[in-house]
Order: sequence, then structure tokens, then C-alpha cells
Amino acid sequence: QKEVEQNSGPLSVPEGAIASLNCTYSDRGSQSFFWYRQYSGKSPELIMFIYSNGDKEDGRFTAQLNKASQYVSLLIRDSQPSDSATYLCAVVTNDYKLSFGAGTTVTVRA
Amino acid sequence: GAGVSQSPRYKVTKRGQDVTLRCDPISSHATLYWYQQALGQGPEFLTYFNYEAQPDKSGLPSDRFSAERPEGSISTLTIQRTEQRDSAMYRCASSLGTGGHGELFFGEGSRLTVL
Repeated sequence: QKEVEQNSGPLSVPEGAIASLNCTYSDRGSQSFFWYRQYSGKSPELIMFIYSNGDKEDGRFTAQLNKASQYVSLLIRDSQPSDSATYLCAVVTNDYKLSFGAGTTVTVRA
Repeated sequence: GAGVSQSPRYKVTKRGQDVTLRCDPISSHATLYWYQQALGQGPEFLTYFNYEAQPDKSGLPSDRFSAERPEGSISTLTIQRTEQRDSAMYRCASSLGTGGHGELFFGEGSRLTVL
């Protein structure tokens, strides 16, 4: 079982819609969770982090964490063509290693 | 430096040759990670350093792979006797703190092609 699993996508949404991305992780002791965005041919960049159960909002992005279900999600509201990218879920496991999922590619249709 | 710098950006080598990739992290950053990223996949953990200590190298695919960070700053990743399956993007990232809780800043990566 991989440490971090994401729905494989690709995910295509119309401009202005909500994009919903999901991630599960295997290490129950994990405490820190991140979403990185990676444009094609570029390096990953951090867009959100969340440490506590519940929701965390930052502009059009909302991260949701449920440690009991070992589940993290990212919602992108009012999706824009500039949001078209691969979104990587990353989890710090109990041994302080940061592991990434395979990523979900999002395409926003104008 | 201002950002994470990796060199070379591109490396083409023949099977069986050794290659060394270099990473110069942001100067104040304690933690340095190495990842391998295949096309269409997420970064796969190779190893990481807290200053010069290397607490985890469990992701190194074989004993042909090794990494160093002797003075707690610049790091190198060496692949001996390269094989075609080693072809990938190798990404270095650094973080200010330890414990994996901070933002990672990635370099532009070194793309390795083994012929």
C-alpha cells in the first residue's frame, strides 16, 4: 500500500466550477499535510498546509482534513484556466519523511 | 542563495557510467530532500538530511545510489553504474526547519537520461 494515494484523474471542470481533489494516507501517526501545485514542466510549489481536523480556507482554496478517516481533500472554488495543473498531496509520516501522492491533473475548460 | 539551485539541469550519459548531481539549498535551510520524479508521477522520496545527518535513506532504489551533505549545506546525489531505468527528473528541495513541518522549496531539477 502506498503511503499517499490520490484519485488519479485527470479531472476536467468548466471555468467557474468547483474542483474537488481527494487524498488518503496510510500512516495514522501523520500530523502534517500539504497540497502542492505543479505546472507542466515546472517544480512543485506549496499552495496549502493543514495540521488540524476540519477546514482551512485560503482565498479560493479550501483544505479539509479528517484524521480519523485518514483523508485530506482540496477544493478549488471558481476554477480558472490558470488553475490547470497537477495537484500533489503530501504527508509527513511518523518518521518525519515527506511523501507525495502521484498527483491529480486538473484541466479547467474556458 | 536566493533559491534552490541544482546542476546540471540536463545530463545524458551512457549505461554503466557514474553521474553526480548537485544541490545548493537556500542558505538558512536545515533540511534537504532528494526526490525522483518520473513523467506523470509524483515525486518519489529518496533520502533527506537534517544539516549533515542523514536520518532516512530508505527511498534509495539500490546501493548504486548514495547522497552526501558533508558540511550541512551543498548536497550531492551519486548514481554509480547507471542503468536505463535511472532515467528521470531528480529534484532537490530544502526546508527551513526540521521535522518535516515546513514548506519545501524545490529546485528546477536535474533531468537524467541514460542511453
